[in-house]
Amino acid sequence: GAGVSQSPRYKVAKRGQDVALRCDPISGHVSLFWYQQALGQGPEFLTYFQNEAQLDKSGLPSDRFFAERPEGSVSTLKIQRTQQEDSAVYLCASSLGTRGGYEQYFGPGTRLTVT
Amino acid sequence: AQKVTQAQTEISVVEKEDVTLDCVYETRDTTYYLFWYKQPPSGELVFLIRRNSFDEQNEISGRYSWNFQKSTSSFNFTITASQVVDSAVYFCALSEAISSNTGKLIFGQGTTLQVKP
Repeated sequence: GAGVSQSPRYKVAKRGQDVALRCDPISGHVSLFWYQQALGQGPEFLTYFQNEAQLDKSGLPSDRFFAERPEGSVSTLKIQRTQQEDSAVYLCASSLGTRGGYEQYFGPGTRLTVT
Repeated sequence: AQKVTQAQTEISVVEKEDVTLDCVYETRDTTYYLFWYKQPPSGELVFLIRRNSFDEQNEISGRYSWNFQKSTSSFNFTITASQVVDSAVYFCALSEAISSNTGKLIFGQGTTLQVKP
């Protein structure tokens, strides 16, 4: 079946521009995660949705970062007034369950470059 | 605080050699889960294995094996008879079941494995 998809795969933004990154999780998956992966580093948690509810946004680095999942399926991560330090790969993952221990299925990521 | 450490940044081996990737974790939770993921050059993280904190039994899957030792807080990954296709970045990750109600993963820095023909 279809896995997690993300679009665009690559995004170049000029500093100060707003960007929107899309994630299509696996159908029926309740949980959705966003992670940020800097070059040469492991992914770091940004935010978590259970269906349409954003239950944890403790990893969002600033108030320029905003995520939504209005209908409990597709999710969008928005970054306002992008800065160079926002350059990274943004990974989306979904899982069937709502607590720890469930396998998370990852998308291919969106590589964001801020110039 | 929760933490995952992969001390080996890069490992290079010749095909058919065995290689072990180390993972050490820190958590105060008594219930937690440990994972290994593979990230090939394409970038997509691929799930390899999940263990819960109550199951210390080692696991073997083909050429892959995992050694979980709570006494040393380690969850090491061994590839036997490595192949060029094993070249990738490997991540160890922790999910806490008590401190977190989301299942978010805490990743190590990753180990880049290069298998030369």
